[in-house]
Order: sequence, then C-alpha cells, then structure tokens
Amino acid sequence: QVQLVQSGAEVKKPGASVKVSCKASGYTFTSYGISWVRQAPGQGLEWMGWISAYNGNTNYAQKLQGRVTMTTDTSTSTAYMELRSLRSDDTAVYYCARDSYLEPFPYWGQGTLVTVSS
Amino acid sequence: DIQMTQSPSSLSASVGDRVTITCRASQGIRNDLGWYQQKPGKAPKRLIYAASSLQSGVPSRFSGSGSGTEFTLTISSLQPEDFATYYCLQHNSYPPTFGQGTRLEIK
Repeated sequence: QVQLVQSGAEVKKPGASVKVSCKASGYTFTSYGISWVRQAPGQGLEWMGWISAYNGNTNYAQKLQGRVTMTTDTSTSTAYMELRSLRSDDTAVYYCARDSYLEPFPYWGQGTLVTVSS
Repeated sequence: DIQMTQSPSSLSASVGDRVTITCRASQGIRNDLGWYQQKPGKAPKRLIYAASSLQSGVPSRFSGSGSGTEFTLTISSLQPEDFATYYCLQHNSYPPTFGQGTRLEIK
C-alpha cells in the first residue's frame, strides 16, 4: 500500500532553516509528483509547492519563492522540503502528498510539526 | 489564483442528520475538485475526487456533485465518526487552492 512517512518534529529559532523529509513506498516514486501543504495552528490548508519526482521540475507558491526549495532523491524514494529564514508565522504542521495531474492529493504523509520560537 | 469559498464555516448537527457543504469557485474549474476530511491531529483524507467520484473505502453516505463553479458535499446520515473538518480543493489551475474549511460539530 502507498505510504508517505515524514521526519519528526523540529524546533527552530527565527532566521534558521528546516528540512523535512517524506519517504515514499508502495508505488513507483518517479511516476508521480509530491506536493507540500502546511497548516498553521487552528488554521486551514495552504499549498506550498510541487516537485516532479521524474525530472525534478518544481512549482512554488509565489509567497514562498526564494525561501523554499523542494528536492527528491530517487535512490531512496524520498522528497525533501527546505524552508529558510524561518519566522514565527512559519510555525505549522507540514504535510507531503502524492500529486499528479490525473490523481491529485490522494495520499498524505502523517505531518511534521515545525515550531519557530526564540 | 482561483478562490474557493466554502460554506458554512461551521455546522452543528445530530447523528442521523443529512448535511450539505458547499464550495464556490471564483472561476470555472470543470470538475477538478476534491473533498477532504480532517480529524484533529491527523492528515487530511480524500473522500471525493473529480467532484463526484467516491474514493475507494469511503462509506457511500458521502457523495459529491457539481461542475464549473458550484460544488456540494453531502453526508446522507451523519455517523459519530463523521464529526470533523471538511475542505474542498481545486486543482484545475496553479496554484491548487483549498476552501477555508467547514467544522462539523455534534449538536
């Protein structure tokens, strides 16, 4: 069965960077993309960006351009999301989700809480 | 960006009730819409894709309808496990955008 397993919770200081991983199993990793979605405490869902696991092409949310980088390692079927220059309003649960044009967001990781606090 | 306006933002209902949640898109999105259920501390779970197709394993009391700009999620007979927050998501054009959510609470 399809599984996306994310790395554990992180606590970071303002201005630092965080890198969250998402390890996929149960399907051919390079046949789909991965989107990242975040959810601030008590708030709704916000799409952050997408990466093709086939060729590494990316598409980032405009508000995060310049601060976010998404990558993949096909040898380990793992996707990564790095967010830099962290601010307090980046405190959120970060989710990865398998994503393709024909089959958007059917499977999600369990979420990774990132807390930004001085 | 396409704006998804979801209503109501919260809803109180009883077990056995029929409930309907609506999402309106700021422009036509064909049927490129999904509905998701999220319980506290858990990841969203897809219920409906392509506006009206039931995700495998999801109970048949859930149904979706609509096309273009108006979409609905209906739960025909609420069960205790259905009390959660529901989101719509459009993926017709980038960026994908979510509705603001509907919190379904026990009356």
